[in-house]
Amino acid sequence: QAVVTQEPSLTVSPGGTVTLTCASDIGAVTGGNSPNWFLQKPGQVPKPLIFSTTKKYSWTPARVSGSLLGGKAALTLSGVQPEDEADYYCLLYFGDVVVFGGGTKLTVL
Amino acid sequence: QVQLAQSGAEVKKPGASVKVSCRASGYNSIKYYIYWVRQAPGQGLEWVGRINPSGGGTSYARQFQGRVTLTTDTSARTFYMDMNRLTPDDTAIYYCTRLDFWGQGSPVTVSS
Repeated sequence: QAVVTQEPSLTVSPGGTVTLTCASDIGAVTGGNSPNWFLQKPGQVPKPLIFSTTKKYSWTPARVSGSLLGGKAALTLSGVQPEDEADYYCLLYFGDVVVFGGGTKLTVL
Repeated sequence: QVQLAQSGAEVKKPGASVKVSCRASGYNSIKYYIYWVRQAPGQGLEWVGRINPSGGGTSYARQFQGRVTLTTDTSARTFYMDMNRLTPDDTAIYYCTRLDFWGQGSPVTVSS
């Protein structure tokens, strides 16, 4: 079973741009892994942001985008706001198996 | 609107089993896979398994194979996760989800 790795923590200034990444230990992440991204705030249910690498839900802010970058899945937040402070998780598919990354704690400071 | 309503909190002793339910409403429950995800206190999200409501096909994370069974009652629009041989490490909130919509979570505590 693959191991999916995210940055444990990142810090960004309000108004800035930050990119979170999601890597697989068995090779480059591709569209076939159908990356998904979620955010979770303390005590809350995870909230989906991105599916199928780049696709947004109706509630996903326009300043949030997904991509593939250097063999990894990436989530970019532009014009970061204080309410973006949260834990962010990626999810990758490996055939019938699904693996979550360990999560990135994003601090807005 | 889409809703996934889960069963309530459970407290179990080590070695026991637990069955968590998830009732779907607001959509055709045959058409979307249901995933089960857990989150231990202070930890990240962990995929447990998923079930295809159309046909009942399942897949599981390696660490849960043989210990978790996912089932569905299509007439009742309800999904179930059955986990046996519980240990304190299974203490977590268990979520059912379509990935775009999530249940509220079912806390399971395993303690002697």
